[in-house]
Amino acid sequence: KAGVTQTPRYLIKTRGQQVTLSCSPISGHRSVSWYQQTPGQGLQFLFEYFSETQRNKGNFPGRFSGRQFSNSRSEMNVSTLELGDSALYLCASTPGGSGANVLTFGAGSRLTVL
Amino acid sequence: GENVEQHPSTLSVQEGDSAVIKCTYSDSASNYFPWYKQELGKRPQLIIDIRSNVGEKKDQRIAVTLNKTAKHFSLHITETQPEDSAVYFCAASVGGTSYGKLTFGQGTILTVHP
Repeated sequence: KAGVTQTPRYLIKTRGQQVTLSCSPISGHRSVSWYQQTPGQGLQFLFEYFSETQRNKGNFPGRFSGRQFSNSRSEMNVSTLELGDSALYLCASTPGGSGANVLTFGAGSRLTVL
Repeated sequence: GENVEQHPSTLSVQEGDSAVIKCTYSDSASNYFPWYKQELGKRPQLIIDIRSNVGEKKDQRIAVTLNKTAKHFSLHITETQPEDSAVYFCAASVGGTSYGKLTFGQGTILTVHP
């Protein structure tokens, strides 16, 4: 059974640009969550999608957005990149049923903003 | 919102010793408490979790205890080995409709010296 797949694994952007990251969850998992990991702030929740609907959103500016497709694949977008957006962006999937919040993480997309 | 405090931030032990990491949470509605291990350059991986209807759970050398009244939970690793060296994160979740939303502690860097 394939795990959570994130692409691209590494990318370098410059300030002001935008970036789109992709996540394919484990087959059958309907919930996809995104987290930002930085040395200073740790792991912070960005948002969660379930059946193409955003269920929860963390405390991040509107420059951070996401969506989920009918096949449960998800994308997140960061517009007008800032230096502070440099981080490891982790996607996680979970079956999404009641009590089924056991998250499986992908390997992450490491974003560097210059 | 939920806040999770984790201590200590670093922990150094000799091989064979025990290690204990403690976390406190603020939201009394939280009912799911996982622990993740993240090795250098790798994704976070679930090592053990506990739900609020259980006070203790063990899996070989790893155990987690939960005190709902005091709102704290702890990870215990016995007979530590060098391969236990990693960053450990505790987390809390309300569950229910928040399948993929975890609030993480700041992490504990565990170093096991041979």
